[in-house]
Amino acid sequence: QSALTQPASVSGSPGQSITISCTGTGSDVGGYNYVSWYQQYPGKAPKLMIYEVSNRPSGVSNRFSGSKSGNTASLTISGLQAEDEADYYCNSYTSSSTRYVFGTGTRVTIL
Amino acid sequence: EVQILESGGGLVQSGGSLRLSCAASGFTFNKYAMTWVRQAPGKGLQWVSAISNSGGSTYYADSVKGRFTVSRDNSKNTLYLQMNSLRAEDTAIYYCAKEVSCTNGVCSYGDYWGQGTLVTVSS
Repeated sequence: QSALTQPASVSGSPGQSITISCTGTGSDVGGYNYVSWYQQYPGKAPKLMIYEVSNRPSGVSNRFSGSKSGNTASLTISGLQAEDEADYYCNSYTSSSTRYVFGTGTRVTIL
Repeated sequence: EVQILESGGGLVQSGGSLRLSCAASGFTFNKYAMTWVRQAPGKGLQWVSAISNSGGSTYYADSVKGRFTVSRDNSKNTLYLQMNSLRAEDTAIYYCAKEVSCTNGVCSYGDYWGQGTLVTVSS
């Protein structure tokens, strides 16, 4: 099972919106609504930002939103802030024997 | 307050064994599935294993199947990962995380994470 494909980096200016894509197949992203997104700062544990494609856990800013179309899931961050600069990973349930697969990760840089 | 604390990491030779522990508090441990995720130095996240709330169902990544065993002791609110036949590529920080929700055995994870424990396998 290969990792889901994410862009290596995405950048934006404060206040702008950016979208991070997560591309898989019909056996993972396209086949199930179990896509999650995690934010990770260097040296820190990941933090759940979105689960089941578009659900936000309590305490997560509504500037973060998730969606899915076909085999590609997306995380949109609106009103970019300096604190959003971090690594972001998607994750999906997969019908393969490995069961869950992460994306390759995206570094978000605030210009 | 939910707290999750991993322990048991360290330096081990290739072919050796380690047992990681994950102590949980602040939530009803026996109601939630748990998962292990690892991150090699400078690399991305990799899902390793998961276990149902009762411990009756366990799941593994292909890369660790047959070498790692996940278990839990609900009386001690503790999750375990027994790692045997360790390889250099198992070197990583190992995190445990709590289930957010499960439906028909498929779960979302990660509303709470531990700080991780570092496993280093020397060749």
